[in-house]
Amino acid sequence: NAGVTQTPKFQVLKTGQSMTLQCAQDMNHNSMYWYRQDPGMGLRLIYYSASEGTTDKGEVPNGYNVSRLNKREFSLRLESAAPSQTSVYFCASSGSLSGANVLTFGAGSRLTVL
Amino acid sequence: AQSVTQLDSQVPVFEEAPVELRCNYSSSVSVYLFWYVQYPNQGLQLLLKYLSGSTLVKGINGFEAEFNKSQTSFHLRKPSVHISDTAEYFCAVIPFGNEKLTFGTGTRLTIIP
Repeated sequence: NAGVTQTPKFQVLKTGQSMTLQCAQDMNHNSMYWYRQDPGMGLRLIYYSASEGTTDKGEVPNGYNVSRLNKREFSLRLESAAPSQTSVYFCASSGSLSGANVLTFGAGSRLTVL
Repeated sequence: AQSVTQLDSQVPVFEEAPVELRCNYSSSVSVYLFWYVQYPNQGLQLLLKYLSGSTLVKGINGFEAEFNKSQTSFHLRKPSVHISDTAEYFCAVIPFGNEKLTFGTGTRLTIIP
């Protein structure tokens, strides 16, 4: 099925450990995004990539790095995880519709940092 | 910079009653407006969008929203809710020419049987 695939769905880390969240889309979209969702705070943009080879910081980039490996894949890396990074992470991609970007979301990755 | 305000964090509604979820935004330029829905333990999916034209837009599952430029609002409505409408609803805006969507903090809709 066409869409956005995120792995892993669940992960538990200890403080200081590193990990990479993977995201792939098969809709030939140019733009890809990483958001985090925390209770009462909605979704906040971590990083985004307007096209292959480009990345930009969003609202909350500290503690994260990203790689736009190719047009399909956009990974999010936590180099040294902290309890404040406990969250649900969503990857999204977008084409364009009448000049606006409608996002298609993955199912989410729930990360717990102990 | 743009911002989105959803004043109601939780809205309980009896089944078959009408509901309105409020959304106000601020932006120095014109915007596109969206409502996304998140069912329990799922990702977000698009409910409806306003890009241009008629200010009343209809979405999936019987929802509609009206864009009011003078009041900078984009409230979501449904005349009769069902148990399956239990979800969290997010309003979002993107300024013309911008790539980045800004979300509100969400409204959790609970349907009471």
